[in-house]
Amino acid sequence: AQRVTQPEKLLSVFKGAPVELKCNYSYSGSPELFWYVQYSRQRLQLLLRHISRESIKGFTADLNKGETSFHLKKPFAQEEDSAMYYCALNDSFGNEKLTFGTGTRLTIIP
Amino acid sequence: DTEVTQTPKHLVMGMTNKKSLKCEQHMGHRAMYWYKQKAKKPPELMFVYSYEKLSINESVPSRFSPECPNSSLLNLHLHALQPEDSALYLCASSSPGTHYGYTFGSGTRLTVV
Repeated sequence: AQRVTQPEKLLSVFKGAPVELKCNYSYSGSPELFWYVQYSRQRLQLLLRHISRESIKGFTADLNKGETSFHLKKPFAQEEDSAMYYCALNDSFGNEKLTFGTGTRLTIIP
Repeated sequence: DTEVTQTPKHLVMGMTNKKSLKCEQHMGHRAMYWYKQKAKKPPELMFVYSYEKLSINESVPSRFSPECPNSSLLNLHLHALQPEDSALYLCASSSPGTHYGYTFGSGTRLTVV
């Protein structure tokens, strides 16, 4: 069974400091991994996909298959980064089943 | 149109009522989903429709009944719910196999009294 673990429920970081939100996964196949973000009073929205290797809003995430991790990083935190962040894994065998981690609430301290 | 639209935004219903939640998208996505999200918890998958056919039912009680009338619409029919079913119900859609991720609606906040 697929499983996503986000060990930090809460994370507070000073503005301008680096941010790292941890995500580990358990999956027997080749995973599809995503980061979703939910800003206050807004809908859940896609932030990053591992397959695209892109940088969105200064955030990056690299899939490390050896460590089964997909940590989200940003070198300099901004106040508008305060939000709930979910790591999610999609079943890559075409079953289209997205499983979420428990989420990390990131607070940026001015 | 790049959104998933859910109606109503809020719903209060009694335990003997019958109501329906509606979800609509016009992005040509052929997979649609219902998720349930309790406060301070991640979304939990309930149902998946792929090409208008129910492909996954995550052991959801029969008081929740999904329906996919066409490729743009997804309904969730509710009957004889319990207070513990109060939650935010999220609809999402995606293009199967394209790795583009899901687009979520803003949800229906359901309260069962």
